[in-house]
Amino acid sequence: DAKTTQPNSMESNEEEPVHLPCNHSTISGTDYIHWYRQLPSQGPEYVIHGLTSNVNNRMASLAIAEDRKSSTLILHRATLRDAAVYYCILRDGNQGGKLIFGQGTELSVKP
Amino acid sequence: NAGVMQNPRHLVRRRGQEARLRCSPMKGHSHVYWYRQLPEEGLKFMVYLQKENIIDESGMPKERFSAEFPKEGPSILRIQQVVRGDSAAYFCASSAGGSNEQYFGPGTRLTVT
Repeated sequence: DAKTTQPNSMESNEEEPVHLPCNHSTISGTDYIHWYRQLPSQGPEYVIHGLTSNVNNRMASLAIAEDRKSSTLILHRATLRDAAVYYCILRDGNQGGKLIFGQGTELSVKP
Repeated sequence: NAGVMQNPRHLVRRRGQEARLRCSPMKGHSHVYWYRQLPEEGLKFMVYLQKENIIDESGMPKERFSAEFPKEGPSILRIQQVVRGDSAAYFCASSAGGSNEQYFGPGTRLTVT
């Protein structure tokens, strides 16, 4: 699985949008971009995933660069409950199976 | 629709004892994954099972650890002769297919004294 690079930490204010970046310059054509998050003392939670086009769901939006070498997870209005570690993971669509977690980005949200 | 269930939530074992961690996947899911999170470290994949079969055990320690997912009942992660270094949070996840998103349980926090 190809490697991703994320900032170690980010801060946001409550009710403001948050843009969490992820670089994956060695992504292959069959790699999907997945985002998971882990709230304190909980198991990870699926957020969103995409291949080439931007994706939206009730939790977040995923913006994927045209060359697919980077992506951004967008939380439209951060709440205190969004404070978590966010993981950007590449996963081969032909293989599936395990998730390889990096260090992720620890997001803190200030009231 | 109940999510992934793990029990016990907390488990304390003395060095040398056995630990059995159980995971019931979401209804309709036949793919189960186990991950371990050591204190202050990231999540590491351990093993991937699909009913009665081990698909990928590349993350399992070579000794003392085993996993199964029988035709009936929960998946079991078994750790024999536990040592202090086994103290960690163990998370189970399930999915409908091998490439689908994974849904995680709340974890079992194992403490070895």
